[in-house]
Amino acid sequence: NAGVTQTPKFQVLKTGQSMTLQCAQDMNHNSMYWYRQDPGMGLRLIYYSASEGTTDKGEVPNGYNVSRLNKREFSLRLESAAPSQTSVYFCASRTGYYGYTFGSGTRLTVV
Amino acid sequence: GDSVTQMEGPVTLSEEAFLTINCTYTATGYPSLFWYVQYPGEGLQLLLKATKADDKGSNKGFEATYRKETTSFHLEKGSVQVSDSAVYFCEPLSSGSARQLTFGSGTQLTVLP
Repeated sequence: NAGVTQTPKFQVLKTGQSMTLQCAQDMNHNSMYWYRQDPGMGLRLIYYSASEGTTDKGEVPNGYNVSRLNKREFSLRLESAAPSQTSVYFCASRTGYYGYTFGSGTRLTVV
Repeated sequence: GDSVTQMEGPVTLSEEAFLTINCTYTATGYPSLFWYVQYPGEGLQLLLKATKADDKGSNKGFEATYRKETTSFHLEKGSVQVSDSAVYFCEPLSSGSARQLTFGSGTQLTVLP
């Protein structure tokens, strides 16, 4: 099925551990995004990639890095996880002035 | 810069009631406007959109009209169902270098049988 695929769906990390969240889209979209969603906080943009080869910081980039591996894939890395990074992470893609397509999310708990 | 103000929730309605969720925005130029829906445990899904003034987006019984004069894009449904219980997000998408990536805070809707 066409869309945005995120892996893993669930993850528990210990403080200080690292991990990479993977995201891939098969719709040939130019732009890809990483958001986090916390209770009562809505969606906050972490990083985005307007096109292949470019990445930019969003509202809450501290503690994260990203890689736009190719047009399809956009990964998010936590180098040293902290409890404040416990959240639900969503990858999304879009092109032009069309709406976003979101993945189903990664539920991350840092203990 | 761009911003969006969305009706605070939670909103609780009885089945078959009329729904309005307000959304107003500030943006550069004339943005495209979107509503998304997030069902429990899922990602956001595009619900409807409008790209120019007076456009009406519609889907699944939901409607929203692009009101340039009031910079609003209120979501309405004439008769809600229990299955409409979800969180609804408004997004203005403006053009050019001033474009920012802005969502409303989301409005939680619960429909009781």
